[in-house]
Amino acid sequence: DSGVTQTPKHLITATGQRVTLRCSPRSGDLSVYWYQQSLDQGLQFLIQYYNGEERAKGNILERFSAQQFPDLHSELNLSSLELGDSALYFCASSPQTGVLNEQFFGPGTRLTVL
Amino acid sequence: GENVEQHPSTLSVQEGDSAVIKCTYSDSASNYFPWYKQELGKRPQLIIDIRSNVGEKKDQRIAVTLNKTAKHFSLHITETQPEDSAVYFCAASISNYQLIWGAGTKLIIKP
Repeated sequence: DSGVTQTPKHLITATGQRVTLRCSPRSGDLSVYWYQQSLDQGLQFLIQYYNGEERAKGNILERFSAQQFPDLHSELNLSSLELGDSALYFCASSPQTGVLNEQFFGPGTRLTVL
Repeated sequence: GENVEQHPSTLSVQEGDSAVIKCTYSDSASNYFPWYKQELGKRPQLIIDIRSNVGEKKDQRIAVTLNKTAKHFSLHITETQPEDSAVYFCAASISNYQLIWGAGTKLIIKP
């Protein structure tokens, strides 16, 4: 158990819908990263937040957005869902002490768009 | 843009033999190189990392080597065991807070 929690574990929805994925980082970690992993694919970096502020953006679609709240939990919002958005979405956290360190991954949310 | 190339995409080795996975990066300013292991259906977990001020790091059966001149780094696993079967990802830093990831290598350990 990495100490990072993600809810829900599974999500099944229809095309065109909107969903919200939630992540709680390890206690004390200020950085949260979101990744998308499609079936048998690599990790696609989506976005990073540090202490409530967006710090880095990767290959995140305009239909996707995220935020980090004052209690440091983060939410990833996916809208106008398409079949191709079906994937495993990971959240990771790290202490971010000024240099890059280990990222601790949550168990992931498996999204299925029908 | 910056990228990390990882080879091979699949590697099959006999149990007990060694496995080597290689990554090449493009950003000469990269200074942090982690390796993550993802077992089937599980989350990625860090197995070893190296910073640019060292050329090699070992942890039991796992070692990572870094060649800054050639901009490549490699993961070495000796005396492979069935539990080493997984997908391995390399990554390289492109800033003080962002990594760029390789596409992954599926390691298969044959009994």
